[in-house]
Amino acid sequence: TQLLEQSPQFLSIQEGENLTVYCNSSSVFSSLQWYRQEPGEGPVLLVTVVTGGEVKKLKRLTFQFGDARKDSSLHITAAQPGDTGLYLCAGAAASAGGFKTIFGAGTRLFVKA
Amino acid sequence: NAGVMQNPRHLVRRRGQEARLRCSPMKGHSHVYWYRQLPEEGLKFMVYLQKENIIDESGMPKERFSAEFPKEGPSILRIQQVVRGDSAAYFCASSSGGISGNTIYFGEGSWLTVV
Repeated sequence: TQLLEQSPQFLSIQEGENLTVYCNSSSVFSSLQWYRQEPGEGPVLLVTVVTGGEVKKLKRLTFQFGDARKDSSLHITAAQPGDTGLYLCAGAAASAGGFKTIFGAGTRLFVKA
Repeated sequence: NAGVMQNPRHLVRRRGQEARLRCSPMKGHSHVYWYRQLPEEGLKFMVYLQKENIIDESGMPKERFSAEFPKEGPSILRIQQVVRGDSAAYFCASSSGGISGNTIYFGEGSWLTVV
């Protein structure tokens, strides 16, 4: 059974602080995605990483895919209240006929002004 | 620029009734996924379908739940004889099924409340 473990589960920080969210698995994934979800909405894709060791930046967000493609991290610099939300990592692995994507339990981030 | 479209957004059913949730994938996508999310929890995989085929239904309860993705029309997630525990947000996602970096895109969800 493939599992994705996210940590921390909950994070409350002050505006301007930095933070890192981790996503770990014992399984290898062909790609990994990070999503952000707000209450009452569907998850919105932030990034897809495909290559082991890959680093992608999206403004103040930095995403890294582990060399072995089993883990990933999301680093936010100078967090702002608008970053508040549920951050989900998801791993895609080959399944019969296509790909199956599984999700971590999520990290709930609250940034205080 | 239509994304994944789900309807209804909100559905209230009495115990024992049937719930039907619809999902139209993003244009050009032929792979559809259904996930369930309970309050304050992550997304739990239910079923993965391609046109007219169920590829993986390992996350779907064996009884009362069924899903289809016909050749024409939207994908349907059907819950028969609903119970209170079925109350949740049901999200549909779609992808092109490409080999490189398969990314799924979500709809805005259907919130089912069983009273």
